[in-house]
Amino acid sequence: QVLLQQWGAGLLKPSETLSLTCAVSGGSFSDYSWTFIRQPPGKGLEWIGDLHHSGSTNHNPSLKSRVTISMDTSKNQFSLKLSSVTAADTAIYYCARVGGIAPPPRRRSYLDYWGQGILVTVAS
Amino acid sequence: AIQMTQSPSSLSASVGDRVTITCRASQYIRDNLGWYQQKPGKAPKLLIYAAASLQSGVPSRFSGSGSATDFTLTISSLQPEDFATYYCLQDYTYPWTFGQGTKVEIK
Repeated sequence: QVLLQQWGAGLLKPSETLSLTCAVSGGSFSDYSWTFIRQPPGKGLEWIGDLHHSGSTNHNPSLKSRVTISMDTSKNQFSLKLSSVTAADTAIYYCARVGGIAPPPRRRSYLDYWGQGILVTVAS
Repeated sequence: AIQMTQSPSSLSASVGDRVTITCRASQYIRDNLGWYQQKPGKAPKLLIYAAASLQSGVPSRFSGSGSATDFTLTISSLQPEDFATYYCLQDYTYPWTFGQGTKVEIK
């Protein structure tokens, strides 16, 4: 059974850097891509970015260049850093595994395993 | 970014009802669409991927259809455990985008 366990600081001040880590167990780490999703309290889901097993990343332009996603393959972990946070970044942050069928360009992806979510609150 | 518009935003239904939720993309997304179910306080759960493929372990009362820009999630006979919020997600192009969600409530 694949498990994603997340941790990170739950309370930040404006302008600080959000830092979350997701540890993967029970399955292959190097064969998959990984992603972060967030959800402001009471609102919908927003894709933050992803990390391919090659090490390449993509991120949501709405977050400008504040996002860094990285991995430590020796520990089967991947991490999110979001700099210069404001109250608008208050949300539950999820990590998830990106599964898929067919190779590019016909790839269809999906998020099949999720972490438990962490509420990150930004307040002065 | 591609806009995903779900309808309705909420609905009330009874156990045993047939429920249909639609998701419309602002541009062509082939069949790169998934459906997710989220219950309060929980992470979303994958139901359908590639528009119509049922995720392993998901009951067969859930089905998906559609391609290009118009997609549908159908629950053939609503069960008590299906009361939740449902989201579509397009993975055709970056940034991936979710619909705003459809809350299915008990009538």
